[in-house]
Amino acid sequence: EAQVTQNPRYLITVTGKKLTVTCSQNMNHEYMSWYRQDPGLGLRQIYYSMNVEVTDKGDVPEGYKVSRKEKRNFPLILESPSPNQTSLYFCASSSSTSGGYIQYFGAGTRLSVL
Amino acid sequence: SQQGEEDPQALSIQEGENATMNCSYKTSINNLQWYRQNSGRGLVHLILIRSNEREKHSGRLRVTLDTSKKSSSLLITASRAADTASYFCAPRNSGNTPLVFGKGTRLSVIA
Repeated sequence: EAQVTQNPRYLITVTGKKLTVTCSQNMNHEYMSWYRQDPGLGLRQIYYSMNVEVTDKGDVPEGYKVSRKEKRNFPLILESPSPNQTSLYFCASSSSTSGGYIQYFGAGTRLSVL
Repeated sequence: SQQGEEDPQALSIQEGENATMNCSYKTSINNLQWYRQNSGRGLVHLILIRSNEREKHSGRLRVTLDTSKKSSSLLITASRAADTASYFCAPRNSGNTPLVFGKGTRLSVIA
């Protein structure tokens, strides 16, 4: 089954404790991205990757890191989480489909930073 | 990349009624995509319409595109309680460029 898998689904942590949210896709998509969703602000892109070893900043990259060492994985790293990073995070991947590049989303990771 | 703007922000209708939501964008596009998000879950792709198409159907969904007005609409016919969700449009310029999402239209279908 084609899917984007994020882990963990829920995470409560404390300020300053480094954490990683993993994202893996099994569709051989070249493009992957991370979004955060906050009430009243919609979905905002954090980072994206056009292919292995190619990453770029989205609209809200501060406080986040990513890496793309393998095509299937695109982890999101918070080196020193702060309460303003409490949010719902989504990973997505896409590839060409009749020229459309439809995005497939993971189920989300709800992060609380205390 | 460009962001679509959905209108209205919220819509409440009775089950069985039709729901129409609109999307406007600023610059020329290659295609425009609509997504649905059930509360707290990941977005799910609904339908894609290319810039050379004017109308597209998928089940109870009908999407129109007017490139001269830089706008699109999503019509859900005979709505059901299960259609309650947020709906997002995503205009795509070209290639595998990042999709930028707006704040969406929050649809409530009351049984």
